[in-house]
Amino acid sequence: TQLLEQSPQFLSIQEGENLTVYCNSSSVFSSLQWYRQEPGEGPVLLVTVVTGGEVKKLKRLTFQFGDARKDSSLHITAAQPGDTGLYLCAGLDAGNNRKLIWGLGTSLAVNP
Amino acid sequence: NAGVTQTPKFRVLKTGQSMTLLCAQDMNHEYMYWYRQDPGMGLRLIHYSVGEGTTAKGEVPDGYNVSRLKKQNFLLGLESAAPSQTSVYFCASSYIPGTEAFFGQGTRLTVV
Repeated sequence: TQLLEQSPQFLSIQEGENLTVYCNSSSVFSSLQWYRQEPGEGPVLLVTVVTGGEVKKLKRLTFQFGDARKDSSLHITAAQPGDTGLYLCAGLDAGNNRKLIWGLGTSLAVNP
Repeated sequence: NAGVTQTPKFRVLKTGQSMTLLCAQDMNHEYMYWYRQDPGMGLRLIHYSVGEGTTAKGEVPDGYNVSRLKKQNFLLGLESAAPSQTSVYFCASSYIPGTEAFFGQGTRLTVV
């Protein structure tokens, strides 16, 4: 069974702090996506990373794909209450490009 | 600007009752998916479709059936609801796996 492990599972921080969320697997992925889900809504795509070692920035969010394409991280600088939500990673199985594997998510609360 | 629309948003069923969840997308996507999301379990794929007239089983298909008679619609049926099917159900669509998946707002189903 392929797994995509996210850590931490829960994170509660104060506004202005920095944080990093990790997504790890023993499997290789063709690409990896990060989604954010707010309460009562469906997940919304933040970024897709495709190349090993790739780094993408989205304002205060920095995403990195591991060199071996087995892991990824999301770093948020100076977190704001609007960053609160569930962060999900999803990897496209390199051996089966129809199979998307989801992590369980990191629930982030940013307190004002 | 509709994207993916799910109906209904909320439903309470008695054990043994049946119902159909409706999903419609206006982006001409070939791929459509039904997920369930439960606390601590993440997003789990129930069934998916790779085009009009096709359906395939995901990781948790038991107790559910689907149909994709028209490209824009993907229906999820529960023939005899059980309390274990209490969950939040999400429909999603994408061009191909690994590209952006667009999600509906979800259906919160309670089976009593």
